[in-house]
Amino acid sequence: RKEVEQDPGPFNVPEGATVAFNCTYSNSASQSFFWYRQDCRKEPKLLMSVYSSGNEDGRFTAQLNRASQYISLLIRDSKLSDSATYLCVVLDYKLSFGAGTTVTVRA
Amino acid sequence: DTAVSQTPKYLVTQMGNDKSIKCEQNLGHDTMYWYKQDSKKFLKIMFSYNNKELIINETVPNRFSPKSPDKAHLNLHINSLELGDSAVYFCASSQIAGPYEQYFGPGTRLTVT
Repeated sequence: RKEVEQDPGPFNVPEGATVAFNCTYSNSASQSFFWYRQDCRKEPKLLMSVYSSGNEDGRFTAQLNRASQYISLLIRDSKLSDSATYLCVVLDYKLSFGAGTTVTVRA
Repeated sequence: DTAVSQTPKYLVTQMGNDKSIKCEQNLGHDTMYWYKQDSKKFLKIMFSYNNKELIINETVPNRFSPKSPDKAHLNLHINSLELGDSAVYFCASSQIAGPYEQYFGPGTRLTVT
C-alpha cells in the first residue's frame, strides 16, 4: 500500500465552481499534513498546512480526519489560475508525497 | 533573491556519463533534500542532510552520491548514467525543528540518451 494515495483526477470544472478531493495516508502516527501545489514544469509550492480542527485560507479549506486517515481540500469559487496539480503531503520521519490530483478550471 | 537555487536547469547527456547537480539555499535552513520526480509525476525523496550529516537515504542506487560541503549547499553526483535516471530532480530545504514545510528549487530536468 502506498504511503499517500490521491485520486489523480483530472477534475475539470468551470470557473466559479467548487471542487473537492481527498487523500488517504497509511501511517496512523503521521504528525503533520500539507497541501502543495505544482504547476506544469514547476517546483511544488506550499499551499497550506492542515490542522486537526480544519483550516481555511481564503477560498481554500483543508480538513483532517485522523480516525479515517484522510485529508481533504476544497476550493470554492474556482479561478482559472487554480488549474494545477495538488499534492497531498504527510510527515512522519520524512515528507511523503501523493502523486497529485490534477485540477483544470475552464472559462 | 532566490531562496533555493539549482544548477543546471537542463542537463542532456549520454548513457554512461557522470554528471553533477548543485543546490544552494539562502533561507538559513539546516536541512536539505534531493527528490526525484519521474515521468509519472510521482515525487520521491532520495536523500536528506541535516547540518551536513546524512539523515535519510532512501533506496537509491549507489551510483548517486550526495555531498553537503556546508548546510547551505547540497550537491548530487551521478555516475554511469542510465536511461532510467531521466527525470526532474528537485532540491529542497527546511528547518528540522519546524516549521516543517519545505521550499523547493526550480528543478533540474535530466535527460539521458
